[in-house]
Amino acid sequence: AQSVTQLDSHVSVSEGTPVLLRCNYSSSYSPSLFWYVQHPNKGLQLLLKYTSAATLVKGINGFEAEFKKSETSFHLTKPSAHMSDAAEYFCVVSGSGGYNKLIFGAGTRLAVHP
Amino acid sequence: DTGVSQNPRHKITKRGQNVTFRCDPISEHNRLYWYRQTLGQGPEFLTYFQNEAQLEKSRLLSDRFSAERPKGSFSTLEIQRTEQGDSAMYLCASSPVAGVTGELFFGEGSRLTVL
Repeated sequence: AQSVTQLDSHVSVSEGTPVLLRCNYSSSYSPSLFWYVQHPNKGLQLLLKYTSAATLVKGINGFEAEFKKSETSFHLTKPSAHMSDAAEYFCVVSGSGGYNKLIFGAGTRLAVHP
Repeated sequence: DTGVSQNPRHKITKRGQNVTFRCDPISEHNRLYWYRQTLGQGPEFLTYFQNEAQLEKSRLLSDRFSAERPKGSFSTLEIQRTEQGDSAMYLCASSPVAGVTGELFFGEGSRLTVL
């Protein structure tokens, strides 16, 4: 069965400092992995996706993630946090039904302080 | 705005009542998904449609839940005889052909509170 574990429920950083949101996955086959972001009162939005091409994936708003098969990890990073990055972030793996059934982690709430 | 639209945004009901949520997907998208998100958790898959055909249902979708997409455009999710455990955010998403990109376009959700 496929699953994702987000290792931190809350992360707090200062504006201008790096962001690291950690995600480990479990999958019985080569997975597709995603990061989605949810701002308050907004719909979930795709940040980036890994689909077995380059292991370092670049997304929107300066975010990137690296797929490490040996560590079963897909951590999300950003070199410099901005106040507008404050949101809930979800690591997602495709289920056995492919893209039609996504499996979400529990989420990491990112707070950015001035 | 041409995004996914969900109505109502908020619904408060008493236990035992029926509720219905509507989702209007992005017009050219032929796949439509329902997810449920409870407090402090990530969204959980409920069901999805390709055009008017409901192709998969989660075991989370009990007999009290029914989803339809009669003309392959908008969809409704009805919950009969609501229970307090049904309180959640119900999310709708659409995609053109999911196998191409895997990107789902989500609406803002319909929050249900069962008293």
